[in-house]
Amino acid sequence: DAGITQSPRHKVTETGTPVTLRCHQTENHRYMYWYRQDPGHGLRLIHYSYGVKDTDKGEVSDGYSVSRSKTEDFLLTLESATSSQTSVYFCAISAGVAGNTIYFGEGSWLTVV
Amino acid sequence: AQSVTQPDIHITVSEGASLELRCNYSYGATPYLFWYVQSPGQGLQLLLKYFSGDTLVQGIKGFEAEFKRSQSSFNLRKPSVHWSDAAEYFCAVGGYSGGGADGLTFGKGTHLIIQP
Repeated sequence: DAGITQSPRHKVTETGTPVTLRCHQTENHRYMYWYRQDPGHGLRLIHYSYGVKDTDKGEVSDGYSVSRSKTEDFLLTLESATSSQTSVYFCAISAGVAGNTIYFGEGSWLTVV
Repeated sequence: AQSVTQPDIHITVSEGASLELRCNYSYGATPYLFWYVQSPGQGLQLLLKYFSGDTLVQGIKGFEAEFKRSQSSFNLRKPSVHWSDAAEYFCAVGGYSGGGADGLTFGKGTHLIIQP
């Protein structure tokens, strides 16, 4: 299994509060991603990073920010959580070279009440 | 823009029967294609991937997939399913680096149900 750890794995929070999800990798891979998974939508890319302090937006980035101060850590922040952000969040990593695979973490279940 | 279509939201198959899950993609260049499986409450596990070469790709757990460029398809097959194959299956397409730079685009998934 790829060395990816997501924390917290489960969280319930109130509308309007800030939330940060952490992804930690031990593979020293250059690329890291945050996806959200919702019924009927599959997985959708929120943000990704291609190096320390290098990030870019994905398909559904509104309401989310990210930071990557170290190769191994990629943080996803919901500045003011809304009920529409209730979802399962997956971190993924990739070496980013031709022929390489994206590997996924176990997911973080977030409920905004 | 790239996209993936999995036409079947749910599929029910009897244990021991053959399986085919459909996947159609849209991509402007040479696609890199993946199938992932997800059990309830779990992350995604890679079943197989196609980057180049032989269009029939073998994966784990007895699965295979065939890339057909003319049909923009990458269907997943298994000759005989087991009850443990019940799960959600996702097809995905990526760019030239196989997932670098801009990640993968996923289909919405096919839920596989196995009947005894």
